[in-house]
Amino acid sequence: DAKTTQPPSMDCAEGRAANLPCNHSTISGNEYVYWYRQIHSQGPQYIIHGLKNNETNEMASLIITEDRKSSTLILPHATLRDTAVYYCIVNNRDNTDKLIFGTGTRLQVFP
Amino acid sequence: DGGITQSPKYLFRKEGQNVTLSCEQNLNHDAMYWYRQDPGQGLRLIYYSQIVNDFQKGDIAEGYSVSREKKESFPLTVTSAQKNPTAFYLCASRGLRLGDTQYFGPGTRLTVL
Repeated sequence: DAKTTQPPSMDCAEGRAANLPCNHSTISGNEYVYWYRQIHSQGPQYIIHGLKNNETNEMASLIITEDRKSSTLILPHATLRDTAVYYCIVNNRDNTDKLIFGTGTRLQVFP
Repeated sequence: DGGITQSPKYLFRKEGQNVTLSCEQNLNHDAMYWYRQDPGQGLRLIYYSQIVNDFQKGDIAEGYSVSREKKESFPLTVTSAQKNPTAFYLCASRGLRLGDTQYFGPGTRLTVL
């Protein structure tokens, strides 16, 4: 079973920030938060991961709450190409053989 | 180009036939994975391999078989014993350094008629 909870769908206007929430209230101390996305009929694409500090890369930012029970993926300026299903996954970094993909959040970016 | 390739993108087979899906990577990754995805669902792990000539069952291995004779190749055979083989099949790989995560290929959509 997935250890995360995500809203099934969200909308975002093109050019605005998309903030995708994820709850992981049972996360343990050695588990990281990973984000992937899947554009229709393609393989999932790795976006970012983090432990407790906020992380940023060329694709997105990851904000993890101080108690680590939830996080938010931020796409700062959403484009139509960001329309996809976004998966939040909690996993032990030492054993990434068993990534558990739930049903994710379907983000629709509209013009 | 470095990456993971899966071929073909679309595959059609008659019921009762075995079919083999190809997965090749030139990332020098040690571990490779096969997942299945059904419409509107997340991914489910079929088999994985961390080293040549060794592999482990995932959550839904029944009706599938794999081999890992070369580091860069991890073919998946969908046998006639698999009750509902029509699905989207995804291959992934990763290095074995601490913190390395999985990277995915483009997928093969298998339809059994």
